[in-house]
Amino acid sequence: EAGVTQFPSHSVIEKGQTVTLRCDPISGHDNLYWYRRVMGKEIKFLLHFVKESKQDESGMPNNRFLAERTGGTYSTLKVQPAELEDSGVYFCASSQGTKPHTGELFFGEGSRLTVL
Amino acid sequence: AQSVTQLGSHVSVSEGALVLLRCNYSSSVPPYLFWYVQYPNQGLQLLLKYTTGATLVKGINGFEAEFKKSETSFHLTKPSAHMSDAAEYFCAVSRRTTDSWGKFQFGAGTQVVVTP
Repeated sequence: EAGVTQFPSHSVIEKGQTVTLRCDPISGHDNLYWYRRVMGKEIKFLLHFVKESKQDESGMPNNRFLAERTGGTYSTLKVQPAELEDSGVYFCASSQGTKPHTGELFFGEGSRLTVL
Repeated sequence: AQSVTQLGSHVSVSEGALVLLRCNYSSSVPPYLFWYVQYPNQGLQLLLKYTTGATLVKGINGFEAEFKKSETSFHLTKPSAHMSDAAEYFCAVSRRTTDSWGKFQFGAGTQVVVTP
């Protein structure tokens, strides 16, 4: 069974450009999460989808970030325009079910974003 | 607000020696507790979790952790380190509410180096 896949694995862009990160969760997983790790800091929650709906987007830094999950399958995270402080590793995770104690989160390898 | 503190960003252990990684949380209500591991070029993988019941939790690869409410701690141990344990380890917590499952607050991570 395929795990959570993310691409690109690494993206280098200029400040002011746009980047779109994609996450394909494990098939059948209703829950999809985005996290980010800025260099030298802890991994931080960005948002949570349940199917195609945003359950919680309290961690999104600002309106330059837009996450979508059309059809409840893969998700994209767009940063427009990118700023230097957006550099970091963006992790996606998925899980099955919505009850506590269940639904282990499976993480992708992350997409490393470098903004120059 | 809850927070997670991991003591030591880098830990070096000898092969065969005890691995001890410390994690303390601050929360008015004991949260769900997790340890994740990230091997090079891989996603985060769940080592173990504490949700309810027995406070000594056994995980994969010989790791275990004990929840101590009085000390607000969830330290990770392994009796004998292997070279393959070299990785970065993350302690994480989430609130005990249905909609918070998967919404983790991570510690800053501890990089473990195992020396022959």
